[in-house]
Amino acid sequence: EVQLVQSGAEVKKPGESLKISCKASGYIFIDYWVGWVRQRPGKGLEWMGIIYPGDSDIKYSPSFQGQVTISADKSIRTAYLQWSSLKASDGAVYFCARGQSGVDYKTYYYMDVWSTGTTVTVTS
Amino acid sequence: SYELTQPPSVSVSPGQTAGITCSGDALSRQYTYWYQQKPGQAPILVIYKDTERPSGIPERFSGSNSGTTVTLTISGVQAEDEADYYCQSADSSGTYVFGGGTKLTVL
Repeated sequence: EVQLVQSGAEVKKPGESLKISCKASGYIFIDYWVGWVRQRPGKGLEWMGIIYPGDSDIKYSPSFQGQVTISADKSIRTAYLQWSSLKASDGAVYFCARGQSGVDYKTYYYMDVWSTGTTVTVTS
Repeated sequence: SYELTQPPSVSVSPGQTAGITCSGDALSRQYTYWYQQKPGQAPILVIYKDTERPSGIPERFSGSNSGTTVTLTISGVQAEDEADYYCQSADSSGTYVFGGGTKLTVL
């Protein structure tokens, strides 16, 4: 069974750093992308970026470029999302998801298996 | 980057057909995908590549593409279909974009 399991909820202060994780199982980790999506309370889904663990290719949303860092350790089948200095506005639920991409009639990019999310609370 | 536009809300009675639209200039050139999200849960993929349905998704969910507007259709809506629905596409470089989401209310 394909599964993505994220690290637990975090409570942090503004200015602190944070790294959350997403551990994959049930598929060949290096053959698929892993993406990150933010959802602020009561708001919609925002795509943050995606990594291909096979060669560490990373694409960021322009909205999140420079604000977060996405990485992966293929030896332990785990992707990461990190902040160097949190802001109160970073408080949200963060989802990781397996990404599918390729070409048939058109190029395709979508996320087919999602984790349950990590809640990040940033408060002074 | 580009934007995808969805209506904020759609209401339908049980057993009726619900249609949720998603508009964007790039949709004629790119596939569209749809996700269902119930409160407190992770999104679930319900339609991929415009019209394909993942295994385990009921047949009442279908997708169509007519150029710059795509539609998620739920036939014979059930109470359990009440949820937020998001369309998603991507540009040619693989940068994803989500629509703002549509809250489906089953009356």
